[in-house]
Order: sequence, then structure tokens, then C-alpha cells
Amino acid sequence: QSALTQPPSASGSPGQSVTISCTGTTSDVGRYNYVSWYQQKPGEAPKLLIYEVSKRPSGVPDRFSGSKSGNTASLTVSGLQAGDEADYYCTSYAGITNLLFGGGTKLTVL
Amino acid sequence: QVQLQESGPGRVNPSETLSLTCSVSGGSVTKYYWSWIRQPPGKGLEWIGYIHYGGDTNYNPSLNSRLTLSVDTSKNQVSLRLTSVSAADTAFYYCARHDVWGSWLDPWGPGTLVTVSS
Repeated sequence: QSALTQPPSASGSPGQSVTISCTGTTSDVGRYNYVSWYQQKPGEAPKLLIYEVSKRPSGVPDRFSGSKSGNTASLTVSGLQAGDEADYYCTSYAGITNLLFGGGTKLTVL
Repeated sequence: QVQLQESGPGRVNPSETLSLTCSVSGGSVTKYYWSWIRQPPGKGLEWIGYIHYGGDTNYNPSLNSRLTLSVDTSKNQVSLRLTSVSAADTAFYYCARHDVWGSWLDPWGPGTLVTVSS
């Protein structure tokens, strides 16, 4: 199975909101509510931001939110801050292939 | 609180076997599922596979023929063995706790870079 599709880049000004999409198929994103989002800053390991489409782990600000419609999941970052500059990756459960990653989106805060 | 630390050789010769270890602290390796994920420098993430100490494993089909994951409960470690490596296997390798029911990974280790080169 192919990787999930994310835009390579996104940007916004401080205080604005940005939404990053993650498009899969009826075999992964569209079938299961097991989409997660990860934030990776340069030189660091990825960090879990959202799991099961819209749930936030303890400690993750509520400025980060997730949703899903059909075969596309979305991560919205509200009230953009300079510290939100990072790469963002989505994943989805995909049955026998188990876990698919998106190609990643580089978020720039202007 | 579970913490993870990967360790490995740093460099492996082409066609040889890559072996990595993930040391688990703050919890027993028997309690959870564990995944390995890799990331070629400057590129995206790829799920490698997961293991549970009870024997349940699931490998990425693209690596299945070369991959073996194992658990050492006496050392509280998870190990990865990848045979017949090539330059395409050069990557940062991460281990992570894998919630297989919700299909999420947390926490992650800091990662270790493996370069395949003679």
C-alpha cells in the first residue's frame, strides 16, 4: 500500500490557524478511526499529538485538533506560535499492512 | 513513565546484518507492544514492524523477508535484526511503544543513525 498523502508544506502567521490534510483510501483512513498525528522538530524524535482521529494525549495543548471526513483526515493548529514550526506526520491503521505514514508536512510560521 | 533508548553500530557494511537494541526503562517490556520505525535522513517515516513478548509480531510486508524482531525480558530490551542491508537501509531508527488497539506510537526513543557503507 502507498503512503498517505500530505501536502509537503503549509504556513501561517502567528495567531492564525492552519489545517494540514492527510488523504488515504477506503482501506485505511476511510475505514478506520485510527488516525494519529505526530510533530517532529529538527534533530528530535516524533511526538504524539493526536490519536484515534481527535483525541489529545495529556500535555498536548488544545490548540491542536484532529478530524476526519471520508478518506481524508485533518490536523488543525490554532493560534499559531513560533514553536509550532516542525514537520507533521499522519498515520493510519491499514489492516494487514498495519501502519501507514503520510509523507510529512513542513509547517512554517511566517 | 516509560523511556526508550536505541543503540547500535552506527555503520554497517552492505550485504551484512544490521542489529539494533531498544532498552526500556520505567516499565516492563512484557506489558506492551513495541514498534520500530525508520527515517532516511531528510525523508519521511516508515513503520518497520511490531512485537509483543508473547510472540505476536507484525512486519511491514516490504521488509518481511529480511526482518526479525525479538524481546529479551531478562534485559528489558527489544531487538531488531535486518539482513542483507543496502544503502537504502541507511536511516535513523526509532523504537516506540505501540498501542495496537488505537494504532498510535508513544513514547518514542531519541533514535539512532545507521549508515550502510563500506
